[in-house]
Amino acid sequence: GNSVTQMEGPVTLSEEAFLTINCTYTATGYPSLFWYVQYPGEGLQLLLKATKADDKGSNKGFEATYRKETTSFHLEKGSVQVSDSAVYFCALSDDTGGFKTIFGAGTRLFVKA
Amino acid sequence: SQTIHQWPATLVQPVGSPLSLECTVEGTSNPNLYWYRQAAGRGLQLLFYSVGIGQISSEVPQNLSASRPQDRQFILSSKKLLLSDSGFYLCAWSSVQPKNIQYFGAGTRLSVL
Repeated sequence: GNSVTQMEGPVTLSEEAFLTINCTYTATGYPSLFWYVQYPGEGLQLLLKATKADDKGSNKGFEATYRKETTSFHLEKGSVQVSDSAVYFCALSDDTGGFKTIFGAGTRLFVKA
Repeated sequence: SQTIHQWPATLVQPVGSPLSLECTVEGTSNPNLYWYRQAAGRGLQLLFYSVGIGQISSEVPQNLSASRPQDRQFILSSKKLLLSDSGFYLCAWSSVQPKNIQYFGAGTRLSVL
């Protein structure tokens, strides 16, 4: 079945450092890929998405490219801020039964001033 | 614009007591609705999803049930809570288009003591 694997956290960075959070997936067909972010005590919100191979999703300085050949969707940001501290979830969705979304385990990011 | 309301935000219940969590969506019709549970420091577990009134699919056998009495109302229930039911419960919806994006409520933190 479909699955998502993302790097374990927590990831601790200093402000203005470069961020990479790795995500790989297993899926049949052509899933859509997502990154969601969860700030403390809140629900998840969509950060960015990509719907086909080689698409690049971007938002708020974050980027991720849909790499079908490596089945990856790594999240990157060139310069993190303290306000980026949150849990980041990689996810995939296909068009089968109820449009379910499969989430990775989440990676907690701490950014120090 | 669409909004999702989930309540209560926090709940402390004794073991063996009943549970009712409610989720409502505004500004859209015929949404797909989802209940997730997030254990402390872990990823999301899909509990139930619904593609229409009265249509409920259960993802894992458990002590919980779900109902959808109206198009935009989704209720999570239990007759007798267990200690293992503690966690952060999230309601989400997705629309027909773009059908893969999920929009989350703020969550309910349930502590069973």
